[in-house]
Amino acid sequence: DGGITQSPKYLFRKEGQNVTLSCEQNLNHDAMYWYRQDPGQGLRLIYYSQIVNDFQKGDIAEGYSVSREKKESFPLTVTSAQKNPTAFYLCASSIGAGTGNTIYFGEGSWLTVV
Amino acid sequence: EDQVTQSPEALRLQEGESSSLNCSYTVSGLRGLFWYRQDPGKGPEFLFTLYSAGEEKEKERLKATLTKKESFLHITAPKPEDSATYLCAVQNSGNTPLVFGKGTRLSVIA
Repeated sequence: DGGITQSPKYLFRKEGQNVTLSCEQNLNHDAMYWYRQDPGQGLRLIYYSQIVNDFQKGDIAEGYSVSREKKESFPLTVTSAQKNPTAFYLCASSIGAGTGNTIYFGEGSWLTVV
Repeated sequence: EDQVTQSPEALRLQEGESSSLNCSYTVSGLRGLFWYRQDPGKGPEFLFTLYSAGEEKEKERLKATLTKKESFLHITAPKPEDSATYLCAVQNSGNTPLVFGKGTRLSVIA
């Protein structure tokens, strides 16, 4: 089945730890995105990538890092510098980042700091 | 800066009671307005894309309309399974990702 797969669904992080969220897509999409969702805050863009080996910061990139070594993969690392990482993280992709292209989402990953 | 404001924040309807959700936007050259449905703990599910004022799209009990300043998501005779958060997003004329509103949380009571 075509789609976007995020893993793990639930992740717990200790203070001072880095954690990585996985995102894989088999839709042959060029563009991929990471959003963060907090209650009452809507979706906020962390990073996006329009092509392999290239990515841009979104509105809330501080404390996060990404890589795009393969077209189908766009992992997100939540570093210890992110002071309030507890949230619901959504990965998405689109054919391109150009105008009018629909973004499709994965099922999300919950990250909790313990 | 592009902005999207959705109202109301929450809406409670009786089954069969039709209503509308609003999405007001300011954007530098609208290239697309998107509606998504999100169930609790799940990723948003794409519903519609509207590209120009006057455009309308329908899917089952949902109809989306677009003017130069806002979009409406009309829900006709809703059922409990329509309960979800509905998200609106816009894309401008630049090569930038979507900007989302905070959503409207819809509850349909049987």
